[in-house]
Amino acid sequence: EDQVTQSPEALRLQEGESSSLNCSYTVSGLRGLFWYRQDPGKGPEFLFTLYSAGEEKEKERLKATLTKKESFLHITAPKPEDSATYLCAVLDFGNEKLTFGTGTRLTIIP
Amino acid sequence: DSGVTQTPKHLITATGQRVTLRCSPRSGDLSVYWYQQSLDQGLQFLIQYYNGEERAKGNILERFSAQQFPDLHSELNLSSLELGDSALYFCASSPRLELAEAFFGQGTRLTVV
Repeated sequence: EDQVTQSPEALRLQEGESSSLNCSYTVSGLRGLFWYRQDPGKGPEFLFTLYSAGEEKEKERLKATLTKKESFLHITAPKPEDSATYLCAVLDFGNEKLTFGTGTRLTIIP
Repeated sequence: DSGVTQTPKHLITATGQRVTLRCSPRSGDLSVYWYQQSLDQGLQFLIQYYNGEERAKGNILERFSAQQFPDLHSELNLSSLELGDSALYFCASSPRLELAEAFFGQGTRLTVV
């Protein structure tokens, strides 16, 4: 069974303080790894898809990277509006469902 | 705005009752997915439909059922409701059978009292 573990569960940063969120996964065959952002009471908002080890994608202050066992979401010089829960999910070959981690709750303090 | 519309946004009902949640996918998307999100658990996959047919099932209870109609909107039916069914229910859609990226609706918050 696919497994996704995210760490830390919660992270508080000062505005401008860069850091990384971790997503470790176990799948029989990775078809894709997805990052989502979720604000309280709202639906997850798609950020990135990564398909193979070594791949990187960037969007504004966020950069996602992928290895064979984990993915990192790097956040550079974050702003208060980056505060949200960041979810990681994997899609396995032969499987149509995304398996989600429980997320990292990120708080950026002005 | 993801383009996925869910109604109602909030629903309060009593134990033992039955409710129907509705989802309209993004224009052109053929796949619809239903997820449940509880406070103590992450997003749990319930079921997927593609172009009207059931394609994948997750941890969906027998009391729950879903369908996708010819106009591609989907409904999730929850019956014999229990307190533990209180959760956020999300619908997501994607354009293909293979899930490249899914766009989520704003969810329906179900409270069972």
